[in-house]
Amino acid sequence: QKEVEQNSGPLSVPEGAIASLNCTYSDRGSQSFFWYRQYSGKSPELIMFIYSNGDKEDGRFTAQLNKASQYVSLLIRDSQPSDSATYLCAVISSGSARQLTFGSGTQLTVLP
Amino acid sequence: NAGVTQTPKFQVLKTGQSMTLQCAQDMNHNSMYWYRQDPGMGLRLIYYSASEGTTDKGEVPNGYNVSRLNKREFSLRLESAAPSQTSVYFCASSELAGGQGETQYFGPGTRLLVL
Repeated sequence: QKEVEQNSGPLSVPEGAIASLNCTYSDRGSQSFFWYRQYSGKSPELIMFIYSNGDKEDGRFTAQLNKASQYVSLLIRDSQPSDSATYLCAVISSGSARQLTFGSGTQLTVLP
Repeated sequence: NAGVTQTPKFQVLKTGQSMTLQCAQDMNHNSMYWYRQDPGMGLRLIYYSASEGTTDKGEVPNGYNVSRLNKREFSLRLESAAPSQTSVYFCASSELAGGQGETQYFGPGTRLLVL
């Protein structure tokens, strides 16, 4: 079964710190990886996508992908209270269906 | 651009009643999706439509039917609602099923309560 695993949290960090969110996936053939942010009562919104091994940076966000370890992470630098949300890792698995499989999410709280 | 819109925003049903959730996108996307989100379960794919005229089952299709009415609209129907279908339903769309076009954009959601 193709799965995406995340620590549910909650994860609390002080304002200004680096928040580190982790995700592992079971399908070794997966090729596309996404991080979504979801505020309480709202819909998921895309933060970043990554396809290649290594780091991808966008402002305060850095996505890291290690296909050999089947591991993808999201770092949030200079965390702000407005970053408090649930972060969803999503993976498009191998095969023709190209379905997006989501993890259950990690709840992040940034303390002022 | 409204993006992805969903109606209704909230609905209460009695067990056995039927209803249709509507979804429309104005981004000229080819692919559309229906998910349900339950506490602690993440988003689970119910059905998807890779392109106009095609639909396929996702992870949890039982108790649901879908119609891809045209390129813009994708509806989800509950024929006989059950309390287990109490959930938040999200519609999403993406440009293509490959590469950067795989990014999915979500509607605001429909909260459904089945009594």
